Amino acid sequence: EPEVTQTPSHQVTQMGQEVILRCVPISNHLYFYWYRQILGQKVEFLVSFYNNEISEKSEIFDDQFSVERPDGSNFTLKIRSTKLEDSAMYFCASSGPARGEKLFFGSGTQLSVL
Amino acid sequence: AQKITQTQPGMFVQEKEAVTLDCTYDTSDPSYGLFWYKQPSSGEMIFLIYQGSYDQQNATEGRYSLNFQKARKSANLVISASQLGDSAMYFCAMREGNSGGSNYKLTFGKGTLLTVNP
Repeated sequence: EPEVTQTPSHQVTQMGQEVILRCVPISNHLYFYWYRQILGQKVEFLVSFYNNEISEKSEIFDDQFSVERPDGSNFTLKIRSTKLEDSAMYFCASSGPARGEKLFFGSGTQLSVL
Repeated sequence: AQKITQTQPGMFVQEKEAVTLDCTYDTSDPSYGLFWYKQPSSGEMIFLIYQGSYDQQNATEGRYSLNFQKARKSANLVISASQLGDSAMYFCAMREGNSGGSNYKLTFGKGTLLTVNP
């Protein structure tokens, strides 16, 4: 079964640096998402993306965050100036009408901000 | 109020036995969907099962079944014939509003850590 792939699996960065997390959603999926999970806490919705624009975003998704689909296959999350509290597992997910009621997650990128 | 409540931080079950993981939800939207995901220690989120609010029958996927009690607003996951590989964190999640399209803004519970003993 096709997968959502995320790179890198681990990212370590210094506070204040910019990071870009990359995702390749399932081919022919149309809707893309980012979620995050701070260690030991709930998985939280960040943003949904469709037709090259943000559909919905949470209060967590402030001006430091941005998403982009730079080409036909990649979907990226950029954090402009990382803070310590951005340390978390970031999950990309995708869904599509052909796959029924399923939201497929990638294996995540563990971001550590030092 | 919590939208998704999982009251069991941890559960233990013997291999080959069945186990029920509890989930209650809170919504005033008549259209919603309920999901269960498995998160092993490696970290990925694995879809297990889905139940729509208008589905007449309880969802089943192999060894997983969802005990959907709409009036009680509960959506418990039943795992039959537990295997050692079932040891993982299990999350219940809800989507409110119409299905499909971009509406996969899921609200997750805090999870239940299941340990299967040999």
